[in-house]
Amino acid sequence: KAGVTQTPRYLIKTRGQQVTLSCSPISGHRSVSWYQQTPGQGLQFLFEYFSETQRNKGNFPGRFSGRQFSNSRSEMNVSTLELGDSALYLCASSLRDGPNTEAFFGQGTRLTVV
Amino acid sequence: SQKIEQNSEALNIQEGKTATLTCNYTNYSPAYLQWYRQDPGRGPVFLLLIRENEKEKRKERLKVTFDTTLKQSLFHITASQPADSATYLCALSNQAGTALIFGKGTTLSVSS
Repeated sequence: KAGVTQTPRYLIKTRGQQVTLSCSPISGHRSVSWYQQTPGQGLQFLFEYFSETQRNKGNFPGRFSGRQFSNSRSEMNVSTLELGDSALYLCASSLRDGPNTEAFFGQGTRLTVV
Repeated sequence: SQKIEQNSEALNIQEGKTATLTCNYTNYSPAYLQWYRQDPGRGPVFLLLIRENEKEKRKERLKVTFDTTLKQSLFHITASQPADSATYLCALSNQAGTALIFGKGTTLSVSS
Protein backbone atom coordinates (compact mmCIF):
# COMPACT_ATOMS: atom_id res chain seq x y z
CA LYS A 1 0.00 0.00 0.00
CA ALA A 2 1.11 3.57 -0.54
CA GLY A 3 3.06 5.23 2.24
CA VAL A 4 2.75 8.70 3.67
CA THR A 5 3.06 11.31 0.93
CA GLN A 6 4.30 14.81 1.60
CA THR A 7 4.30 17.61 -0.92
CA PRO A 8 6.25 19.47 -1.98
CA ARG A 9 9.58 17.77 -1.27
CA TYR A 10 11.57 20.98 -1.43
CA LEU A 11 10.59 24.59 -0.96
CA ILE A 12 12.46 27.89 -0.89
CA LYS A 13 10.70 30.89 0.59
CA THR A 14 11.63 34.42 1.57
CA ARG A 15 11.42 35.81 5.09
CA GLY A 16 7.97 37.16 5.84
CA GLN A 17 6.18 34.91 3.39
CA GLN A 18 3.86 32.12 4.38
CA VAL A 19 3.92 28.48 3.34
CA THR A 20 1.53 25.53 3.28
CA LEU A 21 2.74 21.95 3.42
CA SER A 22 0.59 18.94 2.62
CA CYS A 23 0.48 15.40 3.96
CA SER A 24 -1.53 12.44 2.73
CA PRO A 25 -1.55 9.64 5.32
CA ILE A 26 -1.65 5.94 4.67
CA SER A 27 -5.13 4.86 3.63
CA GLY A 28 -7.21 4.11 6.72
CA HIS A 29 -4.98 6.04 9.10
CA ARG A 30 -6.86 8.72 10.99
CA SER A 31 -4.07 10.16 13.12
CA VAL A 32 -1.60 12.61 11.60
CA SER A 33 1.27 14.27 13.44
CA TRP A 34 3.73 16.91 12.30
CA TYR A 35 7.35 17.31 13.39
CA GLN A 36 10.11 19.79 12.69
CA GLN A 37 13.63 18.40 12.35
CA THR A 38 16.75 20.55 12.55
CA PRO A 39 20.38 19.55 13.15
CA GLY A 40 20.50 21.45 16.42
CA GLN A 41 17.17 20.51 17.98
CA GLY A 42 16.43 17.16 16.40
CA LEU A 43 12.82 16.11 15.90
CA GLN A 44 10.33 18.35 17.67
CA PHE A 45 6.60 17.74 17.88
CA LEU A 46 4.39 20.39 16.29
CA PHE A 47 0.84 19.05 16.51
CA GLU A 48 -1.31 16.00 16.11
CA TYR A 49 -4.74 15.58 14.53
CA PHE A 50 -7.23 12.79 14.85
CA SER A 51 -10.53 12.78 12.99
CA GLU A 52 -10.16 16.47 12.08
CA THR A 53 -9.54 17.54 15.70
CA GLN A 54 -6.26 18.82 17.06
CA ARG A 55 -5.44 16.52 19.96
CA ASN A 56 -1.99 17.76 20.95
CA LYS A 57 0.15 20.78 20.29
CA GLY A 58 3.85 21.26 20.81
CA ASN A 59 5.66 24.31 22.03
CA PHE A 60 5.72 26.35 18.85
CA PRO A 61 4.52 29.92 18.24
CA GLY A 62 1.09 30.64 16.82
CA ARG A 63 2.63 31.20 13.39
CA PHE A 64 2.53 27.44 13.05
CA SER A 65 -0.93 26.04 12.43
CA GLY A 66 -2.49 23.01 10.89
CA ARG A 67 -5.69 21.30 10.00
CA GLN A 68 -7.01 17.93 8.96
CA PHE A 69 -9.68 17.22 6.40
CA SER A 70 -12.43 14.62 6.44
CA ASN A 71 -10.33 12.31 4.24
CA SER A 72 -7.54 12.50 6.89
CA ARG A 73 -5.25 14.54 4.66
CA SER A 74 -3.52 17.26 6.62
CA GLU A 75 -1.92 20.59 5.95
CA MET A 76 0.33 22.74 8.05
CA ASN A 77 0.86 26.44 7.56
CA VAL A 78 3.66 28.68 8.69
CA SER A 79 3.07 32.41 8.44
CA THR A 80 5.58 35.25 8.56
CA LEU A 81 8.49 32.94 7.89
CA GLU A 82 11.75 33.45 9.76
CA LEU A 83 15.21 32.18 8.88
CA GLY A 84 15.02 29.81 11.84
CA ASP A 85 12.04 28.04 10.31
CA SER A 86 14.37 26.40 7.81
CA ALA A 87 14.06 22.72 8.57
CA LEU A 88 12.82 19.34 7.43
CA TYR A 89 9.11 19.08 8.19
CA LEU A 90 7.94 15.53 8.70
CA CYS A 91 4.44 14.17 8.77
CA ALA A 92 3.58 10.84 10.39
CA SER A 93 0.37 8.86 10.28
CA SER A 94 -0.89 6.21 12.66
CA LEU A 95 -3.67 3.68 12.38
CA ARG A 96 -5.08 4.24 15.84
CA ASP A 97 -5.29 6.98 18.36
CA GLY A 98 -3.00 6.36 21.30
CA PRO A 99 0.63 6.46 22.40
CA ASN A 100 1.34 2.79 21.77
CA THR A 101 0.96 3.01 18.04
CA GLU A 102 3.86 3.08 15.66
CA ALA A 103 4.14 6.13 13.46
CA PHE A 104 4.73 5.92 9.71
CA PHE A 105 6.69 8.92 8.45
CA GLY A 106 6.74 10.56 5.07
CA GLN A 107 9.97 11.67 3.42
CA GLY A 108 9.45 15.20 4.57
CA THR A 109 9.39 18.67 3.05
CA ARG A 110 12.70 20.50 3.12
CA LEU A 111 11.92 24.17 3.71
CA THR A 112 14.61 26.78 3.20
CA VAL A 113 13.89 30.36 4.23
CA VAL A 114 16.19 32.98 2.70
CA SER B 1 11.80 20.09 31.53
CA GLN B 2 11.68 16.71 29.82
CA LYS B 3 15.00 15.64 28.43
CA ILE B 4 16.12 12.69 26.33
CA GLU B 5 19.77 11.97 25.72
CA GLN B 6 21.23 9.44 23.36
CA ASN B 7 24.67 8.39 24.47
CA SER B 8 26.67 9.77 21.61
CA GLU B 9 26.18 11.49 18.33
CA ALA B 10 28.26 8.90 16.50
CA LEU B 11 29.21 5.27 17.01
CA ASN B 12 31.66 3.41 14.79
CA ILE B 13 31.93 -0.38 14.92
CA GLN B 14 33.21 -3.24 12.79
CA GLU B 15 30.99 -5.57 10.86
CA GLY B 16 29.89 -8.58 12.89
CA LYS B 17 30.12 -6.83 16.24
CA THR B 18 27.19 -5.87 18.44
CA ALA B 19 26.22 -2.21 18.42
CA THR B 20 24.76 -0.86 21.66
CA LEU B 21 23.00 2.48 21.68
CA THR B 22 21.78 4.19 24.83
CA CYS B 23 18.79 6.40 25.48
CA ASN B 24 18.46 8.15 28.84
CA TYR B 25 15.61 10.37 29.94
CA THR B 26 14.82 12.72 32.82
CA ASN B 27 11.73 14.48 34.15
CA TYR B 28 9.44 12.09 32.33
CA SER B 29 7.48 8.92 33.04
CA PRO B 30 7.01 7.23 29.69
CA ALA B 31 4.53 4.46 29.19
CA TYR B 32 6.07 3.51 25.87
CA LEU B 33 9.44 3.77 24.25
CA GLN B 34 10.05 3.39 20.55
CA TRP B 35 13.14 3.13 18.38
CA TYR B 36 13.32 4.43 14.83
CA ARG B 37 15.90 4.31 12.08
CA GLN B 38 16.51 7.28 9.82
CA ASP B 39 18.55 7.29 6.64
CA PRO B 40 19.82 10.54 5.09
CA GLY B 41 17.08 12.42 3.24
CA ARG B 42 14.34 10.11 4.45
CA GLY B 43 11.80 10.04 7.24
CA PRO B 44 12.26 7.83 10.31
CA VAL B 45 11.21 4.19 10.06
CA PHE B 46 9.70 2.38 13.06
CA LEU B 47 11.72 -0.51 14.45
CA LEU B 48 10.48 -1.55 17.89
CA LEU B 49 8.10 -0.48 20.65
CA ILE B 50 8.46 -1.51 24.28
CA ARG B 51 6.03 -0.86 27.12
CA GLU B 52 6.99 0.29 30.61
CA ASN B 53 6.10 -3.09 32.10
CA GLU B 54 8.28 -4.96 29.59
CA LYS B 55 11.96 -5.47 30.32
CA GLU B 56 13.06 -6.64 26.91
CA LYS B 57 11.83 -6.94 23.34
CA ARG B 58 13.46 -8.71 20.40
CA LYS B 59 13.00 -8.61 16.66
CA GLU B 60 15.42 -10.54 14.48
CA ARG B 61 18.89 -9.04 15.18
CA LEU B 62 17.45 -6.19 17.27
CA LYS B 63 16.97 -6.15 21.02
CA VAL B 64 15.62 -3.36 23.20
CA THR B 65 15.67 -3.14 26.97
CA PHE B 66 13.73 -0.67 29.09
CA ASP B 67 14.70 0.07 32.69
CA THR B 68 12.29 2.56 34.26
CA THR B 69 14.34 2.64 37.47
CA LEU B 70 17.49 3.72 35.67
CA LYS B 71 15.38 5.74 33.21
CA GLN B 72 17.26 4.13 30.38
CA SER B 73 16.77 2.07 27.25
CA LEU B 74 19.46 0.09 25.48
CA PHE B 75 19.17 -0.78 21.80
CA HIS B 76 21.33 -3.63 20.50
CA ILE B 77 22.04 -4.70 16.94
CA THR B 78 23.80 -8.05 16.88
CA ALA B 79 25.98 -9.25 14.00
CA SER B 80 25.97 -5.72 12.61
CA GLN B 81 26.27 -5.14 8.87
CA PRO B 82 27.27 -2.09 6.81
CA ALA B 83 23.58 -1.84 5.80
CA ASP B 84 22.78 -1.08 9.45
CA SER B 85 24.61 2.25 9.11
CA ALA B 86 22.04 4.96 9.82
CA THR B 87 20.86 7.32 12.54
CA TYR B 88 18.84 5.67 15.29
CA LEU B 89 16.31 7.67 17.27
CA CYS B 90 14.59 6.82 20.51
CA ALA B 91 11.18 8.29 21.25
CA LEU B 92 9.03 8.36 24.36
CA SER B 93 5.32 8.74 24.87
CA ASN B 94 3.03 8.55 27.87
CA GLN B 95 -0.56 7.54 28.41
CA ALA B 96 -1.76 11.11 28.19
CA GLY B 97 -1.20 11.64 24.52
CA THR B 98 0.22 10.48 21.27
CA ALA B 99 2.97 13.06 20.95
CA LEU B 100 6.35 11.40 20.64
CA ILE B 101 9.35 13.06 22.26
CA PHE B 102 12.46 12.20 20.28
CA GLY B 103 16.11 12.10 21.20
CA LYS B 104 18.56 13.70 18.79
CA GLY B 105 19.77 10.34 17.58
CA THR B 106 22.96 8.35 17.34
CA THR B 107 24.59 7.89 13.95
CA LEU B 108 25.90 4.36 13.61
CA SER B 109 28.60 3.52 11.08
CA VAL B 110 29.42 -0.13 10.49
CA SER B 111 32.62 -0.74 8.57
CA SER B 112 33.42 -3.93 6.68
